[in-house]
Amino acid sequence: GNSVTQMEGPVTLSEEAFLTINCTYTATGYPSLFWYVQYPGEGLQLLLKATKADDKGSNKGFEATYRKETTSFHLEKGSVQVSDSAVYFCALSGYAGGTSYGKLTFGQGTILTVHP
Amino acid sequence: DTGVSQNPRHKITKRGQNVTFRCDPISEHNRLYWYRQTLGQGPEFLTYFQNEAQLEKSRLLSDRFSAERPKGSFSTLEIQRTEQGDSAMYLCASSLHGQQMYEQYFGPGTRLTVT
Repeated sequence: GNSVTQMEGPVTLSEEAFLTINCTYTATGYPSLFWYVQYPGEGLQLLLKATKADDKGSNKGFEATYRKETTSFHLEKGSVQVSDSAVYFCALSGYAGGTSYGKLTFGQGTILTVHP
Repeated sequence: DTGVSQNPRHKITKRGQNVTFRCDPISEHNRLYWYRQTLGQGPEFLTYFQNEAQLEKSRLLSDRFSAERPKGSFSTLEIQRTEQGDSAMYLCASSLHGQQMYEQYFGPGTRLTVT
């Protein structure tokens, strides 16, 4: 079945540092890949997505590239801010044979704390 | 667009009691999903509806769990004879599903504590 593996956390950075959160996946067919973010006290929000190989998703300075050859979708940001402190989830949704499954399979989440 | 709403936000119940949660999706969305999230883990898929039809149920959804979406609008998730292992955050999400797969919008969740 489908699975997502994220790097172990938590991750603690100083403001303006470079961020990478690793994500690898196992899936059949051609999944779509997502990063969701959960800010303290809030619900899950979609941060970015990529629906086919070599696509780059980007939003709010965050980027991730769909790498089919390495089955990866690593999240990066060049300069983090205190306001980026949150839990980040990598997720995939299966798509094969013309059928979009829709349901999401999530990684375990990575807690990011950014200090001033 | 008022977003996905869930009620109640918090529920504390004694083991063995039944509980019911409600999810109101974004009005034009035809798909509705239920997920469960335990502390330190990512959400796990439970079940989903397209309009009023329940199309898939996870093996996580034991016989004590039942979900409905009458008339393809709001949905309810009922847990009978609750157990301490049912303590979790129950998340609802909705999307507009067609030729393409659209973003799932999540509600704030219902936190269940079984004592």
